[in-house]
Amino acid sequence: EAQVTQNPRYLITVTGKKLTVTCSQNMNHEYMSWYRQDPGLGLRQIYYSMNVEVTDKGDVPEGYKVSRKEKRNFPLILESPSPNQTSLYFCASSLSGLGNNEQFFGPGTRLTVL
Amino acid sequence: AQRVTQPEKLLSVFKGAPVELKCNYSYSGSPELFWYVQYSRQRLQLLLRHISRESIKGFTADLNKGETSFHLKKPFAQEEDSAMYYCALRPKGSARQLTFGSGTQLTVLP
Repeated sequence: EAQVTQNPRYLITVTGKKLTVTCSQNMNHEYMSWYRQDPGLGLRQIYYSMNVEVTDKGDVPEGYKVSRKEKRNFPLILESPSPNQTSLYFCASSLSGLGNNEQFFGPGTRLTVL
Repeated sequence: AQRVTQPEKLLSVFKGAPVELKCNYSYSGSPELFWYVQYSRQRLQLLLRHISRESIKGFTADLNKGETSFHLKKPFAQEEDSAMYYCALRPKGSARQLTFGSGTQLTVLP
């Protein structure tokens, strides 16, 4: 089944403890992106990647890192999480970063930072 | 910078009534506009895009450049339309992808 998967789906951690949220897609999509969803703010883009080894900042990149070593994977790294990063995170992919391409979303990862 | 505004956080209508979810945007160039929907316990998914001029599940949306709006409409709401709806914009030709509005939770009452 063509899909975007994220792991873990739920995570509770403490301030300062490094964590990684994985994202994988099996559709051979070039473009991948991370969003965070907060009440009243909708989805805001954190980072995106046009292709392997090509990443760029979105609207709210502070406190996050990403890497794109393989086409299918786009992990989100929080080196030193803080409580204001408590949020619902979505990974998405699309065929390419240009044109009128639909984005396919993962199921979301709910992160709580204590 | 572009911005998308959905003025209604919550919207309730009765089954069979018309429904309109408002979306206004600010962007000086040519936008590409989309509606995404998230049903309960399901993933966010594309509902429709303005360039396709399509009708999906009875929903339509017209881009009004003069009013900078892209309202989503359906003449007869169904209970299964209850969901969270997001309007999204992308500058034409941009790789930055989507700027989302804050969403409207639609509830269709029996």
